[in-house]
Amino acid sequence: DTEVTQTPKHLVMGMTNKKSLKCEQHMGHRAMYWYKQKAKKPPELMFVYSYEKLSINESVPSRFSPECPNSSLLNLHLHALQPEDSALYLCASTRLAGNYGYTFGSGTRLTVV
Amino acid sequence: KQEVTQIPAALSVPEGENLVLNCSFTDSAIYNLQWFRQDPGKGLTSLLLIQSSQREQTSGRLNASLDKSSGRSTLYIAASQPGDSATYLCAVRPPAGGGSNYKLTFGKGTLLTVNP
Repeated sequence: DTEVTQTPKHLVMGMTNKKSLKCEQHMGHRAMYWYKQKAKKPPELMFVYSYEKLSINESVPSRFSPECPNSSLLNLHLHALQPEDSALYLCASTRLAGNYGYTFGSGTRLTVV
Repeated sequence: KQEVTQIPAALSVPEGENLVLNCSFTDSAIYNLQWFRQDPGKGLTSLLLIQSSQREQTSGRLNASLDKSSGRSTLYIAASQPGDSATYLCAVRPPAGGGSNYKLTFGKGTLLTVNP
């Protein structure tokens, strides 16, 4: 298995809703990432987990809450989002040792109404 | 602070043409450089990874080169096909050590259109 799987592929939520994005990989990668990508822009790093512990938070608003329950799974909990949070949310993973590349998932297209 | 620039921003070519996409970066102290492809509304697909000690990598019709000292990488696509139409992103990874090692710096991408 050489993939990062993200669900759902599309999500529409109201500003008072609570929803979660899910990311899963079975490549044994011990670093997992959340990126946000707006239209016609490059991805922007949000969070990094290494060995299931949060190691980087790029000053992301608290309405985004990441969670890494185990080495294969990464969640992003969403609450009280704003319309400007509408974007493509990408999950990625990497090995921690060696000169490695990043594997990205296919993304979740989020629309906040 | 590392900055990555991709030129051109958009490129339209007829099918069958060979083409070159350019990526430049301001800080030559990199760990590696990765080229990605992104279809509209989709995730990033890794095309080639070049270690800082390497000069080039090849995969099928794709060849990526790296000149670390001059801060440049090129992605060469041979015999382009309409299916190659996508946005191509390059990303550099900083050297090992410290939390910033995890953070890729992306260029803004080149939008490639290959016309039948």
